[in-house]
Amino acid sequence: DAGVIQSPRHEVTEMGQEVTLRCKPISGHNSLFWYRQTMMRGLELLIYFNNNVPIDDSGMPEDRFSAKMPNASFSTLKIQPSEPRDSAVYFCASRDGTDYGYTFGSGTRLTVV
Amino acid sequence: GNSVTQMEGPVTLSEEAFLTINCTYTATGYPSLFWYVQYPGEGLQLLLKATKADDKGSNKGFEATYRKETTSFHLEKGSVQVSDSAVYFCALTGNSGGSNYKLTFGKGTLLTVNP
Repeated sequence: DAGVIQSPRHEVTEMGQEVTLRCKPISGHNSLFWYRQTMMRGLELLIYFNNNVPIDDSGMPEDRFSAKMPNASFSTLKIQPSEPRDSAVYFCASRDGTDYGYTFGSGTRLTVV
Repeated sequence: GNSVTQMEGPVTLSEEAFLTINCTYTATGYPSLFWYVQYPGEGLQLLLKATKADDKGSNKGFEATYRKETTSFHLEKGSVQVSDSAVYFCALTGNSGGSNYKLTFGKGTLLTVNP
């Protein structure tokens, strides 16, 4: 099992550019989560999907952020346009229906300059 | 809503010292409780969990007991090693209605163990 796979590992972009983060959950897991980690705010849940359907996006900071899950094996988090305050580590996690624990990916470190 | 409060640290210990990281929570119903560990440059890994009152989770020498009467889930280890240096997060998932899926984290505690 390769675990939750995120790409890219690092992303440096200029303010105003579009950024797309990608996640492949563990096969068979039916829930997927996007978290953001910063020193100031800690770990924040942005959005989660259950069976590919967005259930709660109340943590998405603003309209510049959007997330999709077109199928059970792929999700994207897009920021358009990006701003320096979006700089953070973004984690994807998946969970199966039989265990309360999550499996996290290694994260994408985003730097917006 | 649900919340988790943990000692923020940083915590600095010498090798073989005893470790306690305090964690208390606020939640309705009967949440499941977790400790996650994050090593430098890596994602979060589940360290241990407890799903009902008085359960003790344990792994790699770490232990935590689900105390409903004090709403606590303190992490302990009898003898820490340099390799235990990491950030530790206390977390919970709800056990009622729509909050069941949501994992709520504490702020994290940075542990540094010196040789």
